[in-house]
Amino acid sequence: GQNIDQPTEMTATEGAIVQINCTYQTSGFNGLFWYQQHAGEAPTFLSYNVLDGLEEKGRFSSFLSRSKGYSYLLLKELQMKDSASYLCAGAVLNTGFQKLVFGTGTRLLVSP
Amino acid sequence: DTAVSQTPKYLVTQMGNDKSIKCEQNLGHDTMYWYKQDSKKFLKIMFSYNNKELIINETVPNRFSPKSPDKAHLNLHINSLELGDSAVYFCASSQEISGISYNEQFFGPGTRLTVL
Repeated sequence: GQNIDQPTEMTATEGAIVQINCTYQTSGFNGLFWYQQHAGEAPTFLSYNVLDGLEEKGRFSSFLSRSKGYSYLLLKELQMKDSASYLCAGAVLNTGFQKLVFGTGTRLLVSP
Repeated sequence: DTAVSQTPKYLVTQMGNDKSIKCEQNLGHDTMYWYKQDSKKFLKIMFSYNNKELIINETVPNRFSPKSPDKAHLNLHINSLELGDSAVYFCASSQEISGISYNEQFFGPGTRLTVL
């Protein structure tokens, strides 16, 4: 089966750093995606990791450890606009094509 | 320019009715998807088409029937709507190169379906 776990909710203050963890158990694993979804809007792509290590993109970084089935999304210098849900998704190869298996999302609330 | 568009944005209907949602992408992608996001915000894949061919069909009631007239369009028809079908339905597209890792999916704005 496919299983993606992440915390349901987190809170942080403006200017701080927050780390959102994700653990996964998937067969046919082909990488780990992070998406951001603001309330009432579509998910938008943040990052993709297929090899172990850290990928940095501005204020956001994502880390993957394939051996541990673990990823995290790190958000620095938090801004109010970062209040959103963050979706961890495992990319799974299925009969030669890829599908995304999403976790339930972590709702992040940034307060002043 | 809208990359992935869906119509309608909102759909309110009675139980037992039949309805359709349409999706179009102008990104030149060859793979399109339908996802369902329930009230707990859990996003789950339903179907995927690659070049008009069905490639992923998750465990979905056969009241749901996708159709892809060409690779830029993917529609979803739902028969005999039930209360549990109330959700937000997202269309997405990606450029799938068979077996190649990186294929970010671009999502449409969603269709909020409410069944009364």
